[in-house]
Order: sequence, then structure tokens, then C-alpha cells
Amino acid sequence: NAGVTQTPKFRILKIGQSMTLQCAQDMNHNYMYWYRQDPGMGLKLIYYSVGAGITDKGEVPNGYNVSRSTTEDFPLRLELAAPSQTSVYFCASSSGTANTEAFFGQGTRLTVV
Amino acid sequence: GESVGLHLPTLSVQEGDNSIINCAYSNSASDYFIWYKQESGKGPQFIIDIRSNMDKRQGQRVTVLLNKTVKHLSLQIAATQPGDSAVYFCAENDRAGTALIFGKGTTLSVSS
Repeated sequence: NAGVTQTPKFRILKIGQSMTLQCAQDMNHNYMYWYRQDPGMGLKLIYYSVGAGITDKGEVPNGYNVSRSTTEDFPLRLELAAPSQTSVYFCASSSGTANTEAFFGQGTRLTVV
Repeated sequence: GESVGLHLPTLSVQEGDNSIINCAYSNSASDYFIWYKQESGKGPQFIIDIRSNMDKRQGQRVTVLLNKTVKHLSLQIAATQPGDSAVYFCAENDRAGTALIFGKGTTLSVSS
């Protein structure tokens, strides 16, 4: 049971570099989410998608972009990495709205130096 | 605005004790609440959920209580074990019902 798979697990970026965090789920879930978790803090919603071709901003979208061309994949793009984006990023998916359990990936630990 | 908070950032208990982790939420329109457990270096894992038409729900060794009058949520863990050591988050659905809003978390430490 793969569930939600995130790659890479770790990455170090230099300021100004770009990268894409990959997220894939094999549960045929319509809803997918990207959260970031800063040390000692809860998870903050970056972007979410309610289905292929539909994305929307969460609480902290600045500096990020997403796309959802398929049900399975929901990549998160950082165009110009900044130290403030140093965080752990979690992708999640759920079968319905936020009134159902969300399944999380193992996270991507990103450091921007 | 919407926010979900926890009363205590840390909780230390002895193995075998019962643990109670509390959470206050601010959105009176929220109708779904969930508790997650996050172990070090891992993603959050579902523990138990509850809908607003209930005030109590039990799982295996865990119970969630919902008091809508004071907008309070709690997680009770019976006979706490060292493997229960983790950070516990409560979450509620947002106003649009499209995403979960998380609190800051309570770190539970269980000593033998």
C-alpha cells in the first residue's frame, strides 16, 4: 500500500534556485493538499486541489505554485527559493472534502541556504 | 479568523497513566474534527475523528470528546505506552469545508 508518496525526502537549495516537490497518491482521491510545517508549529495549508485541473490557494501560498494535470499527481513548485521557505513539506490527499480523513506522505525536508 | 489551538505544548506522563490532550477551536461552524499523531521524522497519522453531531467517540484506547458549547476538543489515551510518545495535533475543517486547519500540537512524553 503506497498511499501518498513524496519525493525527494531531503533537499538543500541555494537562495534563488528553483525546484519541484513531487507528490503522488494511488488511492484515487480527488482532494489533495500541500502543507508546510515549521519547527514546533502546526501545519499550514499552502495550496489544495479538489480535482484534476482545479487548484486554489491556502493560507500561505506566496512563493509557491501548483498544478494538477492528473488525479494522481500534485507537484509543488518553488521558483525562487528563499530562506523563509526552509521547512518540512507534507502532501496529503482525501477522498472527499475536509470532512474526511486526510492521508499524509512522509514529508520533504527542505533547507534553503 | 479561524484557528485551532492546544492548551499545553507539552505533556509528560508515566507509562500506564491516562493522558488527556486538550484543544480549543474558534470556528463555531466547524462540523468535523480530527486528531493526528506525528512521530519524529514522519507524516501525521490519523487517530480518531468526530463530527459535530456527536459529543463522544471511542476507538482503541482513545476517546475524543467534543464540547461545542465552549468549543473544546479533547483526546484521551488510556493506559499510555512509550509508543504513544509523539506530537498530537487537533484539526478542524475550514469555513469552506475544503481543507483541515491544524493547531500547534502537544508533545506527549511517556516515561517508563
